Amino acid sequence: GNSVTQMEGPVTLSEEAFLTINCTYTATGYPSLFWYVQYPGEGLQLLLKATKADDKGSNKGFEATYRKETTSFHLEKGSVQVSDSAVYFCALSGIPNAGGTSYGKLTFGQGTILTVHP
Amino acid sequence: DTEVTQTPKHLVMGMTNKKSLKCEQHMGHRAMYWYKQKAKKPPELMFVYSYEKLSINESVPSRFSPECPNSSLLNLHLHALQPEDSALYLCASSRGTGLGTQYFGPGTRLLVL
Repeated sequence: GNSVTQMEGPVTLSEEAFLTINCTYTATGYPSLFWYVQYPGEGLQLLLKATKADDKGSNKGFEATYRKETTSFHLEKGSVQVSDSAVYFCALSGIPNAGGTSYGKLTFGQGTILTVHP
Repeated sequence: DTEVTQTPKHLVMGMTNKKSLKCEQHMGHRAMYWYKQKAKKPPELMFVYSYEKLSINESVPSRFSPECPNSSLLNLHLHALQPEDSALYLCASSRGTGLGTQYFGPGTRLLVL
């Protein structure tokens, strides 16, 4: 079945530091890949996505590239801010199949807690 | 606009109460989802509705009863809950099951006493 392995946290950085959160996946076919962010006390917000190999998703200074050869979708940001402190979830959406056993279900990683200090 | 709204934001209920959570989207999405999220964990899928019909029930106890009155609304009826059901309940929607990105609402934080 599908699975997502995400870098264990928590990750603590100083403001303006470089951020990488690793994410690797196991899936059949060509799933879509996502990063969601959850700020304290809130729901999940879509941060960025990529739907095919070599696509780069980007938003708010964050980037991630869909690497089929390494089955990875690592999240990066060049200079983090205190306001980036949140939980980050990597996720994949499986491919619906004719047998009806997959309907595009989202499979999440365990989440990485990021804390950025001034 | 990619907004999914949920009410109430917070809910406290006793184990004998009956309450409902509400979710609404106006993006024309035909798939809607309920998730349960415990602290420091990823969301767990509970139910999927596709074209207002229940298509997936992830073996959720019957004390949770979903309802989709129309293509924009999704309810979750709660009855005789247990303290371990305390969690953040998230609603999401997408163009279709397996189609497009899932957009999440802000959630309802439920406490069962």
